[in-house]
Amino acid sequence: QQQVKQSPQSLIVQKGGISIINCAYENTAFDYFPWYQQFPGKGPALLIAIRPDVSEKKEGRFTISFNKSAKQFSLHIMDSQPGDSATYFCAARGGMDTGRRALTFGSGTRLQVQP
Amino acid sequence: DSGVTQTPKHLITATGQRVTLRCSPRSGDLSVYWYQQSLDQGLQFLIQYYNGEERAKGNILERFSAQQFPDLHSELNLSSLELGDSALYFCASSVGESGGAFFGQGTRLTVV
Repeated sequence: QQQVKQSPQSLIVQKGGISIINCAYENTAFDYFPWYQQFPGKGPALLIAIRPDVSEKKEGRFTISFNKSAKQFSLHIMDSQPGDSATYFCAARGGMDTGRRALTFGSGTRLQVQP
Repeated sequence: DSGVTQTPKHLITATGQRVTLRCSPRSGDLSVYWYQQSLDQGLQFLIQYYNGEERAKGNILERFSAQQFPDLHSELNLSSLELGDSALYFCASSVGESGGAFFGQGTRLTVV
C-alpha cells in the first residue's frame, strides 16, 4: 500500500532530448508527489512537486504530469543537458489523516545525458 | 545548500560499536526525518519527529533510536553495529508535515 514503483532504472538520453521517468502508486491517501535530484555524494534535492488536484506542473525545463485515475505521475526533462546527469527519485506523501507524513520513495532512475 | 546540517560527514567504526549522528534542521522547521540509503534498498524511511515528539516509524531496527531536542536538532543513535548497517544516513526537515522536505548532505557510515 505504501509502495511507489519507478521506471526505468536507468536512462540514456542525447543532449537536447527529452528525458521521461515514470512512477506509479497504489495508496490513494497520498496527497503530495515530489521529485528529487541526487548527485553522487550529495543529498537528494527537491526539484519539483505536484498535488493530485493538478494534472500538470511546469518549472523551467522540468514538468510533472499527473494522472490521478491511473495513479501515475511522470517527470519530463526537456532539452536535457549533461548537467542533468544524476539519479532522480519520485516520492509520495500520505495525507494529514493517515499518520504517514514521511515521504515514500521510488527506487530511483539513473539518468545519463550524452553530449 | 538546503540549510540542513548533518555531522559527521564520514564515520568509520567497528562492528559492535555505537555511533551518534547529528542533524540540525533548517531554521523554523519543526519536522525531522531520518532516512537510510544503501545501494540495494534505495531511500528507506526510518523515523520522524515533529516538535520533539516521535511522529512515525518506518523500517527502523530495534538497535537504532532517535530523539529530537528542544532546540529541534535531532540525533540518530545506532548501536551494536553490523556490517550491513554501512550506508548513507540522511536527515531531512520540513516546516510542518506537508510540502517539501529538504535533505542534508548525509553521513556516510562504514562499519568494518
